[in-house]
Amino acid sequence: NAGVTQTPKFRILKIGQSMTLQCAQDMNHNYMYWYRQDPGMGLKLIYYSVGAGITDKGEVPNGYNVSRSTTEDFPLRLELAAPSQTSVYFCASSYSELGTPLHFGNGTRLTVT
Amino acid sequence: AQKITQTQPGMFVQEKEAVTLDCTYDTSDQSYGLFWYKQPSSGEMIFLIYQGSYDEQNATEGRYSLNFQKARKSANLVISASQLGDSAMYFCAMREGRRDDKIIFGKGTRLHILP
Repeated sequence: NAGVTQTPKFRILKIGQSMTLQCAQDMNHNYMYWYRQDPGMGLKLIYYSVGAGITDKGEVPNGYNVSRSTTEDFPLRLELAAPSQTSVYFCASSYSELGTPLHFGNGTRLTVT
Repeated sequence: AQKITQTQPGMFVQEKEAVTLDCTYDTSDQSYGLFWYKQPSSGEMIFLIYQGSYDEQNATEGRYSLNFQKARKSANLVISASQLGDSAMYFCAMREGRRDDKIIFGKGTRLHILP
């Protein structure tokens, strides 16, 4: 049972480059989330989705885009990478019921130089 | 707007003592859920405990319990008989039940257990 799979684990980008962080879950979860965690800080919500075809902005959406064409996949796109986007990115998923916890991927460590 | 506040950036506790990690929240929704997660130095996020706003009893899971005071909007995590392996970052999180499905996190508390 893979759970939530994030790829890549590590990436170094040059300023202005673009990339897509992949996230896939095999638990048939409706809800999926993207967070970023800066060093020593908490998690900030970037985007989230409550089902295929539905996405919504979180706390820090600027500089990112998402799509949700299937229940399983929720890729995060960075356009024109900036040093401020250096962070660890976590994807998470859950069922829709209020009390169900998030299942997290192992994170992607991104450095923009 | 929903908000989570963790006011203790770091704590040092002697092994085997109990420890309380503070979490206050703000929401205008009557239906909401509160979660605690642990993040060891390896980086993964581990779910610890959940409290629903309508739950009458404080949640407990093994050595973890949640001191839920609804009127004060606080949901403090209590770890009994702390162990060296409890050294980690701890995050409080909230999801509102009706307004939207965002789950937001506090800034976290770094707990150090001393031998």
